[in-house]
This record gives sequence, structure tokens and C-alpha cells, in this order.
Amino acid sequence: QKEVEQDPGPLSVPEGAIVSLNCTYSNSAFQYFMWYRQYSRKGPELLMYTYSSGNKEDGRFTAQVDKSSKYISLFIRDSQPSDSATYLCAMSRTLQTGANNLFFGTGTRLTVIP
Amino acid sequence: DAGVTQSPTHLIKTRGQQVTLRCSPKSGHDTVSWYQQALGQGPQFIFQYYEEEERQRGNFPDRFSGHQFPNYSSELNVNALLLGDSALYLCASSTGTGAASQHFGDGTRLSIL
Repeated sequence: QKEVEQDPGPLSVPEGAIVSLNCTYSNSAFQYFMWYRQYSRKGPELLMYTYSSGNKEDGRFTAQVDKSSKYISLFIRDSQPSDSATYLCAMSRTLQTGANNLFFGTGTRLTVIP
Repeated sequence: DAGVTQSPTHLIKTRGQQVTLRCSPKSGHDTVSWYQQALGQGPQFIFQYYEEEERQRGNFPDRFSGHQFPNYSSELNVNALLLGDSALYLCASSTGTGAASQHFGDGTRLSIL
């Protein structure tokens, strides 16, 4: 069993839709949770970063972490064609150098149709 | 403010050869981590360098080695290349204090023939 599971999709939605992306994990030691966006032929770009449980909002993006269920989500409101990309969840036990390696999900490929 | 830069962008090698990939971290960052991303997969951690020493290592064989220079830039070396080494190799930088999240470069796409 992988430490981080993510539905690879692909996911297609019409412009303006609300998108929900999810990951589950098995290691209860994970404390830091990130969402990265990766465009084709580019490196991952950090979108959201959350410590422990709770919600965090940044513009059209909302990240949720439920540590009791080992489940994290990213919501995208009013989705735009420019949001079309692969979304990767990532997590780590700590931010401390020497132990802060990231564990990634497979990534979900999202297409927003105009 | 330059982000993480990697070179070359694309490389083609044959089985058994050796390859060196290079990374310059984001300004203000002193820690470099390397990841391998196979097609259709998420990145997998290879190793991390801080203060010119390897600080942690993922589940990769000794054919994968690295180095960090005094200016914080880093190299990833892979010996005895296998077809399965074909992937996008990503460099991520952060600060040694752990205060910053990891920021990625656009990677080097390595193709093994």
C-alpha cells in the first residue's frame, strides 16, 4: 500500500464549476500537507500549504485537512481553463532539514472546458 | 528573484552510460532535494543535501549519488543507466531552518535508449 493515495483521474469539468480533489494517507506522522500544481513539461508549483488539521483559503482555492480520517482535499471555486493541470498532493512529517522529504500522490489530471 | 534552475532541460543517454544533472537553488535557499518523477506518477524522493552533506536518502540504489557545492548548487549523478531510469528529475530547494516549503525547478527530462 502506498503511503499517499490519489485518484489519477482524469477529471473534466465545465468552466465555472467547483472542483474537488482528494488524497488519503496511511502514515499518522504526517503533519504538513501541500498541494502542488504541475503544468505539462513544468515542475510542481506550490499552491497551498497547511499544518495539521483545519481549513485554509487562498482566493479561489481552499485546502482542508482531516487528520482523524487521514484525508485531505483541495477545492477550486469558479474553475478556469487556466486551472487545467495535474494537481499533486504532498505531505511530510516535519519541515526540519534531514527529515522533511515529501511523499507525493500520483497526481490528478484536471481539464476545465471553456 | 531567480527560482530553482536546472540544466540541461533534456538529455538522451544509452544504457550503461553515466549522467550528471545540475541544480541551482532559489535565492536565499541552502538546501537541495532531488526527486524522480516517472511518467504518470508523483515525484519520489532521492536524497537531500545541506551544508555539502547528504542528510537523508530515499529508497534509491547507490548508482544514484550527489554533491553540493559551497554556493549551495548541487549535482545528481547516475551511473550504469537502466531503461527504468527514464524520468523527469526534479530539484527542490528550501532553507536549512525548515521554515520554507520546498520550491521546485522545471526538471531535467532524461531518456534512456
